[in-house]
Amino acid sequence: RKEVEQDPGPFNVPEGATVAFNCTYSNSASQSFFWYRQDCRKEPKLLMSVYSSGNEDGRFTAQLNRASQYISLLIRDSKLSDSATYLCVVNERSGGYQKVTFGIGTKLQVIP
Amino acid sequence: DGGITQSPKYLFRKEGQNVTLSCEQNLNHDAMYWYRQDPGQGLRLIYYSQIVNDFQKGDIAEGYSVSREKKESFPLTVTSAQKNPTAFYLCASSIMVGRLAGELFFGEGSRLTVL
Repeated sequence: RKEVEQDPGPFNVPEGATVAFNCTYSNSASQSFFWYRQDCRKEPKLLMSVYSSGNEDGRFTAQLNRASQYISLLIRDSKLSDSATYLCVVNERSGGYQKVTFGIGTKLQVIP
Repeated sequence: DGGITQSPKYLFRKEGQNVTLSCEQNLNHDAMYWYRQDPGQGLRLIYYSQIVNDFQKGDIAEGYSVSREKKESFPLTVTSAQKNPTAFYLCASSIMVGRLAGELFFGEGSRLTVL
């Protein structure tokens, strides 16, 4: 089983739609979680951190479910500029170190 | 401006040659990472370092080597032992809060093509 799993998509949605992505992780001792955005042929950039209480930033909402070991990202009122790949990131302890593992990414295409 | 710089941006090499990718950061971050990304694939961790003079293997370390002699620098050598080295290589850095890694900041990447 992969450490961090995501549906690669692509998810094709019309402008204005609400879309949600999930990401599951295998290590129950994972400690922190993030969503990154990656545009084609560019480096990933932080979209938002994911907290146990959930957090919202404008049209974006991230949630963490530790019991079921998944995190989610909800995008409301999708814009054309939201088209990108969304990467789930999990930090877990590996020996005495922090290992940062990325999911494969979910590709979102917002269409006019 | 603070940031993380990778060079070269594009690199071509012949089979059997070693090549070293540079990664420098002036963010005063303790931790640095190397990832590889293949077309249509996610990022896979090659090596990481959370303190000077110490580094750990990631998931795909075979055929690669690193050093961390200075906090600012974490060069990656792709050796001739790496069977399929053509890829997009991304370097990142982060602060460490206690034992937790913070947000990763990435360089713009280096595209290596083996001819």
